[in-house]
Amino acid sequence: EVQLVESGGGLVQPGRSLRLSCTASGFTFGDYALTWVRQAPGQGLEWVGFIRSKAYGGPTDYAASVKGRFTISRDDSTGVAYLQMDSLRTEDTALYYCTREYDSSGYYYDFWGQGTLVTVSS
Amino acid sequence: DIQMTQSPFSLSASVGDRVTITCRSSQNIYTFLNWYQHKPGKAPKLLIHGAFNLETGVPSRFSGSGSGEEFSLTISSLQPGDFATYYCQQSYSTPKTFGQGTNVEIK
Repeated sequence: EVQLVESGGGLVQPGRSLRLSCTASGFTFGDYALTWVRQAPGQGLEWVGFIRSKAYGGPTDYAASVKGRFTISRDDSTGVAYLQMDSLRTEDTALYYCTREYDSSGYYYDFWGQGTLVTVSS
Repeated sequence: DIQMTQSPFSLSASVGDRVTITCRSSQNIYTFLNWYQHKPGKAPKLLIHGAFNLETGVPSRFSGSGSGEEFSLTISSLQPGDFATYYCQQSYSTPKTFGQGTNVEIK
């Protein structure tokens, strides 16, 4: 059974850092791209960024709103993806989801974690 | 960045109604279009990928159509478990943007 479990969320002050983890199981982790999606309170889904599989060179890409502040990485040996969030702002407050990107006649997110809540507040 | 615009923003419907949600992209995305259902407190769920491909396990009352810049999601006969927010998402290029969501409420 495919599972994605996010962890690491919490309350953090503006300007500080936080690292989220996404622990995967039930599939060959290294074969898939992983994407982070967030939902701010009362808002819709926002694509945050992703990391391709090592087979594609493992490149990353980010939304403009987080570029230069957030970094996604992966450890294929342990099946964990990370979202390092630096210089946090109040507008980064959201529920953060980790998703698996499936590539078949297009790209789509077939499995999602339950999310981890990040609150940025003084 | 590609902008995705859904309409309507919200709708009220009754069980058994046929419901259609429209999604427009700011440029041609061919059929790189996915639909998700999101309920409060749950993870989003993939319904349709590649504009019209029904995800395994999703009831056949859900269908998707369109290509290029205009797409639609149709629920042929609304069921109680279908009241949720629906999002389109383009996967043609990064950032893989979502529409703003359509909230389907009980009438």
